[in-house]
Amino acid sequence: DAGVTQSPTHLIKTRGQHVTLRCSPISGHKSVSWYQQVLGQGPQFIFQYYEKEERGRGNFPDRFSARQFPNYSSELNVNALLLGDSALYLCASSYTGLSNQPQHFGDGTRLSIL
Amino acid sequence: GENVEQHPSTLSVQEGDSAVIKCTYSDSASNYFPWYKQELGKRPQLIIDIRSNVGEKKDQRIAVTLNKTAKHFSLHITETQPEDSAVYFCAASIHQGGKLIFGQGTELSVKP
Repeated sequence: DAGVTQSPTHLIKTRGQHVTLRCSPISGHKSVSWYQQVLGQGPQFIFQYYEKEERGRGNFPDRFSARQFPNYSSELNVNALLLGDSALYLCASSYTGLSNQPQHFGDGTRLSIL
Repeated sequence: GENVEQHPSTLSVQEGDSAVIKCTYSDSASNYFPWYKQELGKRPQLIIDIRSNVGEKKDQRIAVTLNKTAKHFSLHITETQPEDSAVYFCAASIHQGGKLIFGQGTELSVKP
């Protein structure tokens, strides 16, 4: 079975642009979470979605938004990109999204802002 | 607030020795504690996890212990091998939804 898949793998943007990152969860998983990982740090929670509804939001500005589709795939959108948005963006899926469920990560999208 | 402290930040051991990484969490309602291994340029890989109703869990050379009273949990790797070299992250769940709070990471180096 395929694991969590993310696209694109790498992306280079300039300040002020917007970006859309995509994630497909493990088959059968209904919850997707997004994390930002800056070099040398642990992942930071951005959003969680379950059954197309937002279940949680981390401490990120409104420039960050996300949604989940009927097939449980998800998109993360970031507007008005800043240099500080350069990071590895990770998607994780779990079956129900409950707090005691394992989350499995994709390979991430490495976003570089010039 | 929500916080996970992880120590040490770097750990170097000889092949065959044991390695221990310790974490402390702040939210007493946390009920799930996974450990991830991340090799350079790769995804965080779930290696073991423990729920709050269990004190210890073991999987071959890897074990995790949980002390809910002290809000501590630890990863133990025995008979370390060079392929165990990676960055290890602990995490704690927040009781609402699937938010994980991660520690700062421990870079483990196993020297042959």
